[in-house]
Amino acid sequence: DQQVKQNSPSLSVQEGRISILNCDYTNSMFDYFLWYKKYPAEGPTFLISISSIKDKNEDGRFTVFLNKSAKHLSLHIVPSQPGDSAVYFCAASVGNNDMRFGAGTRLTVKP
Amino acid sequence: NAGVTQTPKFRILKIGQSMTLQCTQDMNHNYMYWYRQDPGMGLKLIYYSVGAGITDKGEVPNGYNVSRSTTEDFPLRLELAAPSQTSVYFCASWTGGRVSYNEQFFGPGTRLTVL
Repeated sequence: DQQVKQNSPSLSVQEGRISILNCDYTNSMFDYFLWYKKYPAEGPTFLISISSIKDKNEDGRFTVFLNKSAKHLSLHIVPSQPGDSAVYFCAASVGNNDMRFGAGTRLTVKP
Repeated sequence: NAGVTQTPKFRILKIGQSMTLQCTQDMNHNYMYWYRQDPGMGLKLIYYSVGAGITDKGEVPNGYNVSRSTTEDFPLRLELAAPSQTSVYFCASWTGGRVSYNEQFFGPGTRLTVL
């Protein structure tokens, strides 16, 4: 029962262009959504989050959009840089003790 | 601050053996978590703790045990290791509260192989 889905296992973009990573969820009770970034041989690191009462949150080059009616969120990275190459995990939680993760999308930013 | 540290980094176990994965955090976080990540899959919650002396099951607790005798330490015990427990294990911690909601800090992981 995968409640958080990232349907694209990989994405490749050119440096300077926009990267759009997508995430779908099935549980309408989720009230907080997060994106984590993971480099090889390291643990995930928090990137950006959004509460279910908002539809957009921006932090520098990173913007997360939430569409509750479609149960869909996306992460936009503009402009993309080679150092952004990593695996990005979408996560969602009901309260603070039950965070569910997607399978991840591997982003490659080409110079 | 060292953040969240995990030992060992790698381990190979034989079927039926037992071991303890260690996790320590120096940020005085109340919440601590254990996840496993199988190839091509997201992280799945095994156990979590909201403070010393309090633990609870996550999504995939079978075959594991935890304890939380101090704020800093949250060891994960595998009894009777099975090949299905081959995975990368991540420990995480979070301060709690609504300011940085669920923004967990992760350790570097322990890669476990059961043969």
